[in-house]
Amino acid sequence: EAGVTQFPSHSVIEKGQTVTLRCDPISGHDNLYWYRRVMGKEIKFLLHFVKESKQDESGMPNNRFLAERTGGTYSTLKVQPAELEDSGVYFCASSPSRLSGTQYFGPGTRLLVL
Amino acid sequence: QQQVKQSPQSLIVQKGGISIINCAYENTAFDYFPWYQQFPGKGPALLIAIRPDVSEKKEGRFTISFNKSAKQFSLHIMDSQPGDSATYFCAASRSGSARQLTFGSGTQLTVLP
Repeated sequence: EAGVTQFPSHSVIEKGQTVTLRCDPISGHDNLYWYRRVMGKEIKFLLHFVKESKQDESGMPNNRFLAERTGGTYSTLKVQPAELEDSGVYFCASSPSRLSGTQYFGPGTRLLVL
Repeated sequence: QQQVKQSPQSLIVQKGGISIINCAYENTAFDYFPWYQQFPGKGPALLIAIRPDVSEKKEGRFTISFNKSAKQFSLHIMDSQPGDSATYFCAASRSGSARQLTFGSGTQLTVLP
C-alpha cells in the first residue's frame, strides 16, 4: 500500500510569488491534515479535511493560504503571495478515522521563500 | 503558548544505553499521546502511542510511561542503537475535535557507536 505522497519535495521561490503544494493521501483515508514546521519550532496544525470538506482551518495563518481537496482525494495548499515567514516544511498526513487518532505523514515539502 | 513541552532539545547516548525523552502537557482534554520518529528527509513516522487509561506501554525496545496526575509522559529507548539516531516528537490530541496533533518541539537523538 502506497503511503502519503507530497509534491514537490523542495520549492524555492521569491517573495511575492505563488506556490502550490500537493498531497496524495493513503487511498481510502477520508481525513487529511496539513501541518507546517517553521525552522526550529514545533510542527503546527494548519487544517483538516474530511473527504472534500474543510472541518477545521483554525491553524491557517492568514488568507494568503488556500487549501482545497478535490473530490475528496488529493489536496492542494496554495500560498499566494508568499512571504519570507512562510518558509518551512509543510507536511500532509492522512487518517482512516478520527477515532483512532493515528495519522500517517508524508515526507513533506521544503519551502524556501527568498 | 506551547501546549506540549518537550525536553531535552538534543540527546547523545552511547550504544546500548537508555535514551529518555520527556514531555509535559497542559490541556487535560488530551486523550491520545503518540510519539513520532523522523529521519532526515522523511516525514514523521508513528513509533508508539498511549491513551491515559494505562500508565505504561511497551513495544520492543520502546516504552512510553504516562503520569496523568503530573500531566507528563516520556519515551524510553532501551539498548539504544545508532540506527535510532533521529528526531523524536511527542504529540497529543483530543477527541471531539479534528483530532489534530499538538506537537512538542522535538528531540534530536544521536546514538554513538
